[in-house]
Amino acid sequence: GAVVSQHPSWVICKSGTSVKIECRSLDFQATTMFWYRQFPKQSLMLMATSNEGSKATYEQGVEKDKFLINHASLTLSTLTVTSAHPEDSSFYICSASSGQGAIYEQYFGPGTRLTVT
Amino acid sequence: QKEVEQDPGPLSVPEGAIVSLNCTYSNSAFQYFMWYRQYSRKGPELLMYTYSSGNKEDGRFTAQVDKSSKYISLFIRDSQPSDSATYLCAMTRGTGFQKLVFGTGTRLLVSP
Repeated sequence: GAVVSQHPSWVICKSGTSVKIECRSLDFQATTMFWYRQFPKQSLMLMATSNEGSKATYEQGVEKDKFLINHASLTLSTLTVTSAHPEDSSFYICSASSGQGAIYEQYFGPGTRLTVT
Repeated sequence: QKEVEQDPGPLSVPEGAIVSLNCTYSNSAFQYFMWYRQYSRKGPELLMYTYSSGNKEDGRFTAQVDKSSKYISLFIRDSQPSDSATYLCAMTRGTGFQKLVFGTGTRLLVSP
């Protein structure tokens, strides 16, 4: 089956620093990757959609200068949280799609727990 | 009003029970309906999907969609302790539009 990995799985950083999270599709080419944020006991909220080689499309209310997304290859997308603050502490999950399957064929990574102190 | 409403639970049942998980939604444009299982601190895993109204069965799992009532359900028969997880419903509009809208998830606890 399709496997998506994320690194790191857990990161703690100090307020004001930047953190990069990687999302990789291990056994398929991901033309589209999605980044979600999940707060405790809340639903996954889509932050942005990225297509390989193009600028990401951000959802309303998501600061594109704060959450930098790069999808430079068909197997790797990165999310950089710049100048992180405690309110950015959350569970960040990526998903990937080959673009050739059905609409529900998004494969999710295991998530990255970010804690900003 | 949220687009998708889901009772967060927790829902506690004994092993072997039939479990019913539900979501309601407000957007009549939704055409595809999915159920995901998420274990603690892990990413969601697709369990079942349904297009438009109707039922779909896969082993111990049955998904139902009633578009007229904007109501979807997931039934789990002969529940097992390993089914203990959070179950999220998700839905989307149609082909080529892959934005998924998720419910908050229902936490299910199956006791031995």
